[in-house]
Amino acid sequence: DVKVTQSSRYLVKRTGEKVFLECVQDMDHENMFWYRQDPGLGLRLIYFSYDVKMKEKGDIPEGYSVSREKKERFSLILESASTNQTSMYLCASRDRGLEVRGYTFGSGTRLTVV
Amino acid sequence: AQTVTQSQPEMSVQEAETVTLSCTYDTSESDYYLFWYKQPPSRQMILVIRQEAYKQQNATENRFSVNFQKAAKSFSLKISDSQLGDAAMYFCAYRRSGTSYDKVIFGPGTSLSVIP
Repeated sequence: DVKVTQSSRYLVKRTGEKVFLECVQDMDHENMFWYRQDPGLGLRLIYFSYDVKMKEKGDIPEGYSVSREKKERFSLILESASTNQTSMYLCASRDRGLEVRGYTFGSGTRLTVV
Repeated sequence: AQTVTQSQPEMSVQEAETVTLSCTYDTSESDYYLFWYKQPPSRQMILVIRQEAYKQQNATENRFSVNFQKAAKSFSLKISDSQLGDAAMYFCAYRRSGTSYDKVIFGPGTSLSVIP
């Protein structure tokens, strides 16, 4: 069964810590995405990548960075975690050539910054 | 910029009944895709149904169907014979077609409860 795997389901970090959220897909998808999900706001795009070492800012990139050293792995980095980054983080991937198929999502990481 | 609006933050339906979730979107594009995603309590987001804007026929997937009104920029989801497993957050989403690099834009979601 093909899947997108996020390394942590729940994470608690302290303010100021550097936080890494990992996402791995086994579908050989070119495009990968990081979204943040908050109640009443839906999903907002943080960063996306359409190839190894390529990245594009989404709608809310401030306070975040990403890394894509291998095709299957897309990491989200919170350089200095703050309480307003407490949220659900969803990783998704998509085959670049199959526009109509939509995304395959991971199960999400619920991050709490204290 | 494209936007997606879901005006019903919460909905409820009796088991075995039919419910319709509303979605409107704003775009100046003529060719695009529309999606409905379901997020159950397990948090795994699942694609329920998709519609290609150039197709006039409304998409159907088993108990799920859409009412796509392109001129009105409306894309509602109808769930027939509702089941307890349909309880979830439902997100309407839009994506421009014709580019490999574009993003999906999501609405704020509708929380659906199914009453036994």
